[in-house]
Amino acid sequence: EDQVTQSPEALRLQEGESSSLNCSYTVSGLRGLFWYRQDPGKGPEFLFTLYSAGEEKEKERLKATLTKKESFLHITAPKPEDSATYLCAVQARYGGATNKLIFGTGTLLAVQP
Amino acid sequence: DTEVTQTPKHLVMGMTNKKSLKCEQHMGHRAMYWYKQKAKKPPELMFVYSYEKLSINESVPSRFSPECPNSSLLNLHLHALQPEDSALYLCASSPGTSTAGELFFGEGSRLTVL
Repeated sequence: EDQVTQSPEALRLQEGESSSLNCSYTVSGLRGLFWYRQDPGKGPEFLFTLYSAGEEKEKERLKATLTKKESFLHITAPKPEDSATYLCAVQARYGGATNKLIFGTGTLLAVQP
Repeated sequence: DTEVTQTPKHLVMGMTNKKSLKCEQHMGHRAMYWYKQKAKKPPELMFVYSYEKLSINESVPSRFSPECPNSSLLNLHLHALQPEDSALYLCASSPGTSTAGELFFGEGSRLTVL
């Protein structure tokens, strides 16, 4: 069964304290892995797409990496405005799930000044 | 500012009411989606429209009825809902279903069923 697991569930950092969020996945052929950011009461905001192991994408203080079993979202020197829930999702290449995303349960990040 | 617009932002309805949620995008995307999200949970897919045709229905109860009048508009008609249907309803679009992972979400409609 296709599955996405994110850890930790919640993470509290001091401003400037770098860390990583983890997304582990099992899927019948990976079409793509996606990271989203969601602020409270708002819709998710697309951040990155990763297609193959070894791929990396960067945007400001965020860097996403991908292996054959997991993805990491590295946050360098975070600021309070980076506080949000970060969602990971995968799209399968085969079977009936090729046109939909399987979301993880998210990591709630709080960055304190 | 989001390029997917949802109305209303908030909706309170009784179990016997009929209401509709509306979604509009002007990015020329050909796939549109309805998701439901409960507090502290990830979004759950409800429906997918591709080129204005319903392509995925995730076994959603018939009290939720989607409609895609044209390539820019997506509606969700609500009738005889239950209190457990209270949630944030999110509309999203993508260029096509092959790019179903790169979704542009609206800000959502917060639904409360009394």
